[in-house]
Amino acid sequence: KQEVTQIPAALSVPEGENLVLNCSFTDSAIYNLQWFRQDPGKGLTSLLLIQSSQREQTSGRLNASLDKSSGRSTLYIAASQPGDSATYLCAASRNTGKLIFGQGTTLQVKP
Amino acid sequence: NAGVTQTPKFQVLKTGQSMTLQCAQDMNHEYMSWYRQDPGMGLRLIHYSVGAGITDQGEVPNGYNVSRSTTEDFPLRLLSAAPSQTSVYFCASSKGFSDTQYFGPGTRLTVL
Repeated sequence: KQEVTQIPAALSVPEGENLVLNCSFTDSAIYNLQWFRQDPGKGLTSLLLIQSSQREQTSGRLNASLDKSSGRSTLYIAASQPGDSATYLCAASRNTGKLIFGQGTTLQVKP
Repeated sequence: NAGVTQTPKFQVLKTGQSMTLQCAQDMNHEYMSWYRQDPGMGLRLIHYSVGAGITDQGEVPNGYNVSRSTTEDFPLRLLSAAPSQTSVYFCASSKGFSDTQYFGPGTRLTVL
């Protein structure tokens, strides 16, 4: 059974810092991995999707990598801003589209 | 495009009552799904559909029914609400099962 873990559960950093959020999964037979952002009381916003054949994806200040052999994905946020404060969720999918979510990392970026 | 829409945003039910959570998307997506989000449990899949007329169970399907008569709509029915179904419910859709999934704003349900 696929299990997805995110460490740390919470993170507080000063504005401008580069940071890395970690996601690990137990079953390497994933089809893709998605990173989402969730603001308090809101739905999920997709940030990046990495297919199993890819190593990384980039969007603006965000870069996500995928290493299937080690069961790990990382989300790198460059030059963090207070507006980046949110909960970040990773989700692994097999070839059924079913997403298995981690518990999330709650990020606070202080001005 | 409105994307994925959900109604209502908030709902309070009494134990034993029934209701339907509505989900619609205007992106002509084939794949739709329902998740519930609970503190300490994260997001868990309830039911999903790979196209009109086709549905299947997810991780926590008990107490919920779904049907998919059109591509656009995927309602979730609670036949007899229980306090354990107090949660935030999210609907999601994607073009195919391997594509980016787009989530609705959620329905916050309380069962007393």
